[in-house]
Amino acid sequence: SQTIHQWPATLVQPVGSPLSLECTVEGTSNPNLYWYRQAAGRGLQLLFYSVGIGQISSEVPQNLSASRPQDRQFILSSKKLLLSDSGFYLCAFNRDRGQGGNQPQHFGDGTRLSIL
Amino acid sequence: DQQVKQNSPSLSVQEGRISILNCDYTNSMFDYFLWYKKYPAEGPTFLISISSIKDKNEDGRFTVFLNKSAKHLSLHIVPSQPGDSAVYFCAAGGGADGLTFGKGTHLIIQP
Repeated sequence: SQTIHQWPATLVQPVGSPLSLECTVEGTSNPNLYWYRQAAGRGLQLLFYSVGIGQISSEVPQNLSASRPQDRQFILSSKKLLLSDSGFYLCAFNRDRGQGGNQPQHFGDGTRLSIL
Repeated sequence: DQQVKQNSPSLSVQEGRISILNCDYTNSMFDYFLWYKKYPAEGPTFLISISSIKDKNEDGRFTVFLNKSAKHLSLHIVPSQPGDSAVYFCAAGGGADGLTFGKGTHLIIQP
């Protein structure tokens, strides 16, 4: 079965510190991968998506970057965190549309990031 | 500019009755619509989806209706159960691009 793992579950970081959140998918190959953020009282906002190794599309210019070093690994990073980076970060995946029409995205359990 | 709107932040329904959650969208390029259920501190769980070529999709107690001309979709839950209490997100998209989400509706099922 296909599963997605995110870690850590919670993280408290000081302003100006670096960030690295990791997401891995099991049970499928060549998935599409996504990073979303949910700020307090808001919906989910797409940050980055990737259709293959080394291919990253950014939706919102900001203090974050993403990388896909392996087929089923997606990493969200920052060199210097801002207070506004606080939020709930979610990784998601789905199968390529070419596998049979539109495919739903499936989410990890998220990382609660608090910036102090 | 919100492309997907859920205008009801919360909805209270009696157990056993029908819950109807609504969603409007503005982007005519969307061709795939989904509903997710979310509990606090967890990731959203996929519930049901519908392609733009259909106007109805049913899965057990959950039915999604799509009105393309009105750019409106709704989720019906019948009968509503206590475990259905959660935040429900409407989402829209198509292709490999990410989804655009509404802000969510908090559904409360009252005994």
